[in-house]
Amino acid sequence: AQSVTQPDIHITVSEGASLELRCNYSYGATPYLFWYVQSPGQGLQLLLKYFSGDTLVQGIKGFEAEFKRSQSSFNLRKPSVHWSDAAEYFCAVGGMEYGNKLVFGAGTILRVKS
Amino acid sequence: EPEVTQTPSHQVTQMGQEVILRCVPISNHLYFYWYRQILGQKVEFLVSFYNNEISEKSEIFDDQFSVERPDGSNFTLKIRSTKLEDSAMYFCASRGLAGVHTQYFGPGTRLTVL
Repeated sequence: AQSVTQPDIHITVSEGASLELRCNYSYGATPYLFWYVQSPGQGLQLLLKYFSGDTLVQGIKGFEAEFKRSQSSFNLRKPSVHWSDAAEYFCAVGGMEYGNKLVFGAGTILRVKS
Repeated sequence: EPEVTQTPSHQVTQMGQEVILRCVPISNHLYFYWYRQILGQKVEFLVSFYNNEISEKSEIFDDQFSVERPDGSNFTLKIRSTKLEDSAMYFCASRGLAGVHTQYFGPGTRLTVL
């Protein structure tokens, strides 16, 4: 069965600093990987996705993520964090072999200090 | 940009009452999903729906739950007799044709069972 681990429950970074949120997955076939962001009281907004091809994918709001098959990882990065990036970030895995339902990680809450 | 909408944004109900949560998926999408997020926990898959029938459901989706696409635009989740533990944020998602794997989420309905 597929699963997703986000080892960091909370991360605090200073505004302007770089950010990396970790995501490891377990999946029996070629995974489709996603990062979603959830601001307080809001829904899930898609930041970026990986299906195939170039392992470095660009998303919205200046985020990028790198798929590393050998490490079963799909870490999210941003070179310079803005205060508006404070939110909860969810990594998710899905794929055709599992009916395309998404399995989510537990989320990482990002705090940005000024 | 087209988006998934959900109503109501917040529903308060008494234990044992029936609730219907409504979703309007993106208009040309064919695959529909419900997920839930209990406060402080992961987003969990409930059910997927395609071609007017359930294609997959989780163990959470017991006989108290049902889904329906009553017309060409709405997609509903009914909980027949609500329990306290049904209190959660319920997200609807939709995706397009086969081969297009990205799910777009609505803003959610917060269900509170008293």
